[in-house]
Amino acid sequence: GAGVSQSPSNKVTEKGKDVELRCDPISGHTALYWYRQRLGQGLEFLIYFQGNSAPDKSGLPSDRFSAERTGESVSTLTIQRTQQEDSAVYLCASSLVPGVAEAFFGQGTRLTVV
Amino acid sequence: AQTVTQSQPEMSVQEAETVTLSCTYDTSESDYYLFWYKQPPSRQMILVIRQEAYKQQNATENRFSVNFQKAAKSFSLKISDSQLGDAAMYFCALCGTSYGKLTFGQGTILTVHP
Repeated sequence: GAGVSQSPSNKVTEKGKDVELRCDPISGHTALYWYRQRLGQGLEFLIYFQGNSAPDKSGLPSDRFSAERTGESVSTLTIQRTQQEDSAVYLCASSLVPGVAEAFFGQGTRLTVV
Repeated sequence: AQTVTQSQPEMSVQEAETVTLSCTYDTSESDYYLFWYKQPPSRQMILVIRQEAYKQQNATENRFSVNFQKAAKSFSLKISDSQLGDAAMYFCALCGTSYGKLTFGQGTILTVHP
């Protein structure tokens, strides 16, 4: 596609439910990143994919968070047993050459846990 | 560990005037990149300008320029001839890894008055 696409744009879920957030990177981009942005805050790194492997997942806040990627395509971020502190915007970015080329961001998924 | 600090939560400027946003950082890496991103209400992160640490010359992109002081670990953004469309949240970011992981500051909200 022309840009990084994320779905859904907004998600409201009840505490304790599981949610899946989807990211479609720019075609051909081997590097993919997930970030979390709490209200009024900067972005926090969650995980990095190179192809379908995740060499750095040091930012995942707990074992309730997991992510996978299919080849060099779609990535899914799953949050199990959601808590209110999980409420945030989750942003995905992709890059053609990690560490060198510009990272392009999607518009994010705003997750609200009620 | 890498840190990025933006000490100005909010800034305002009159249309057509100049404003400077501050950023300081810390890293033990000798080779790194610095960025300024703009985030309008749409949540889309837009790259404004990028600086390679090994380059002494300050980067410029049209009305946007930086003052990069490597020894002081300072990286400020100057916006000249401010326009109403410049109003947004601005984030300073550092990439000190080979795989493009970004560390962000807390952001500065810029308001442009007509």
